[in-house]
Amino acid sequence: GAVVSQHPSWVICKSGTSVKIECRSLDFQATTMFWYRQFPKQSLMLMATSNEGSKATYEQGVEKDKFLINHASLTLSTLTVTSAHPEDSSFYICSANSGTLGYEQYFGPGTRLTVT
Amino acid sequence: GQQLNQSPQSMFIQEGEDVSMNCTSSSIFNTWLWYKQEPGEGPVLLIALYKAGELTSNGRLTAQFGITRKDSFLNISASIPSDVGIYFCAGPRMDSNYQLIWGAGTKLIIKP
Repeated sequence: GAVVSQHPSWVICKSGTSVKIECRSLDFQATTMFWYRQFPKQSLMLMATSNEGSKATYEQGVEKDKFLINHASLTLSTLTVTSAHPEDSSFYICSANSGTLGYEQYFGPGTRLTVT
Repeated sequence: GQQLNQSPQSMFIQEGEDVSMNCTSSSIFNTWLWYKQEPGEGPVLLIALYKAGELTSNGRLTAQFGITRKDSFLNISASIPSDVGIYFCAGPRMDSNYQLIWGAGTKLIIKP
């Protein structure tokens, strides 16, 4: 149980274009979903928290107009990187919390974004 | 603010050895979570701890919730090659919407 999928697993895009990453909870309803960014050899950096049907809460220093988050249903959240630049290249990982398992977060496999 | 200090940063061990790592904080936590991350993958939850003094096992892994609620330990017995990866501790962020704060990770490398 508690499986989270993420798509695509990797994407290469040109500078200035937008990229959408999907995160789905497959066997549970996710009241809260999280988006992280991870740089090589570093820990997880929380970008934003989203609850179904409401606006995402962004961490300090994360541009909400650049990283658009939509949590349209209890099983789907999307992250859109708008007008991507090479410095946006990173490993993006989503996680989900069902609200019934305390603070446990279940993670997707991650998306490797490369902006050329 | 809240911070989790995880140590050691990395460990080089021989296959078959036992491994011990820990996470400490100056803040009190009511939950400790231990995750493992392999290269190019998302973290996988290993053990969740909810009660001070609690000792929980998952196969060869054992984690303990420190009695002071300011620390937690993860032990791996008789390590095998597939134990290689980065182990993270995490705890609830104060006054948060189920958000976590994370340790810096312990990288486990097994010498051939």
